[in-house]
Amino acid sequence: DIVMTQSPDSLAVSLGERATIKCKSSRSVFYSPNSRNYLAWYQKKPGQPPKLLIYWASTRESGVPDRFSGSGSGTDFTLTISSLQTEDVAVYYCQQYSGSPPYTFGQGTKLEIK
Amino acid sequence: QVHLQESGPGLVKPSETLSLTCTVSGGSISNFHWGWIRQPAGKGLEWIGRIYNSGNTKYSPSLESRVTMSVDTSKNQFSLELSSVTAADTAVYYCARGRPADGQTLIDYWGQGTLVTVSS
Repeated sequence: DIVMTQSPDSLAVSLGERATIKCKSSRSVFYSPNSRNYLAWYQKKPGQPPKLLIYWASTRESGVPDRFSGSGSGTDFTLTISSLQTEDVAVYYCQQYSGSPPYTFGQGTKLEIK
Repeated sequence: QVHLQESGPGLVKPSETLSLTCTVSGGSISNFHWGWIRQPAGKGLEWIGRIYNSGNTKYSPSLESRVTMSVDTSKNQFSLELSSVTAADTAVYYCARGRPADGQTLIDYWGQGTLVTVSS
């Protein structure tokens, strides 16, 4: 199985400041024939289901604010929130959807307001 | 807007079969993949498997021997059965929609989740 490791486990950032969450996969999730990274980011708030934010490592889902951005390739990826808002308090998960199952998730990063 | 709702018993006895159904509203069950993910309390998300409306399935290798998924297009529903459950199967179970993504499946909508406890 591909192991997804996120860092940090928790993060406290001031309102309006940048938040950065890292995700590392144990094997590359880049598929060279189509030049795509099979990596998604989800946001989960208490009492709500996870919400898709980013796919193909850097493509924002429709309706997601542009303060959310994804980057990286191969095995190392980053989710950046450029200016933290109160509604961004949540747990964030990366997930790889490459190759054969299982399509594993990171352990989650809890983002709070400092 | 697509809406997914899980239903089924919240308590299952050890060694019995866990059965859940997901009802899809706001869209057709055709042309998408449908799957299940679970999250034990205090732990991470675990992908269980997915099914296409043709009946084609992919399961997590660690659960494959105990998992069966099915789809009922006439009712816009799909289902999960997990046999021989133990306490380790206690978790919040989410149903989810997957859209085709260059040969793979990208999960784009999730149900609210339902807690299933395995206990005698």
